Amino acid sequence: GAVVSQHPSWVICKSGTSVKIECRSLDFQATTMFWYRQFPKQSLMLMATSNEGSKATYEQGVEKDKFLINHASLTLSTLTVTSAHPEDSSFYICSARGPGSGANTGELFFGEGSRLTVL
Amino acid sequence: DQQVKQNSPSLSVQEGRISILNCDYTNSMFDYFLWYKKYPAEGPTFLISISSIKDKNEDGRFTVFLNKSAKHLSLHIVPSQPGDSAVYFCAASERYSTLTFGKGTMLLVSP
Repeated sequence: GAVVSQHPSWVICKSGTSVKIECRSLDFQATTMFWYRQFPKQSLMLMATSNEGSKATYEQGVEKDKFLINHASLTLSTLTVTSAHPEDSSFYICSARGPGSGANTGELFFGEGSRLTVL
Repeated sequence: DQQVKQNSPSLSVQEGRISILNCDYTNSMFDYFLWYKKYPAEGPTFLISISSIKDKNEDGRFTVFLNKSAKHLSLHIVPSQPGDSAVYFCAASERYSTLTFGKGTMLLVSP
């Protein structure tokens, strides 16, 4: 099936620095990608919808200046956590609709996730 | 306000027995429901889905049941296998829009 890959899987950074997480669709083009965040023992929370060639749509309560999303090509979306703080430590997961899925959200494919730890 | 609820954080089942994972939702506009399976440090993988026009969907050992009047769905795994041990997320969407996830239920299948 379709594959979505994230990089890096693990990242540790100092407070105040910025971290970039990449999400790639490996064998298909994804006009829309989604970024989720998961705290321990909590559900996946949608942060934003990333649209190729246009601005991302952020969910209520998500700071767009803190979580910068760039979807510059049909196979790559990036999430940059700017001026990271310990409370930003979390598991970040991206997903994309598979090829030919149309609006069927059942064909969402997820990346492996990226665990961010901010010291 | 949690629109998708998985009230059991964990479930333990013996190998070969049936595992039943439950999910309740509050938004009556949800019309598409999915189950995802997640291993530690990995992203979720799609397992099975059901549209609101159906009340049952089966795929091998996995069956999802939907009770619209009760706003309840369940995932049955028969027979359960140790490799099924993972966190299972219930998710719902309205008119194929973005997904709303439950908190997940950790299933442990013991040999």
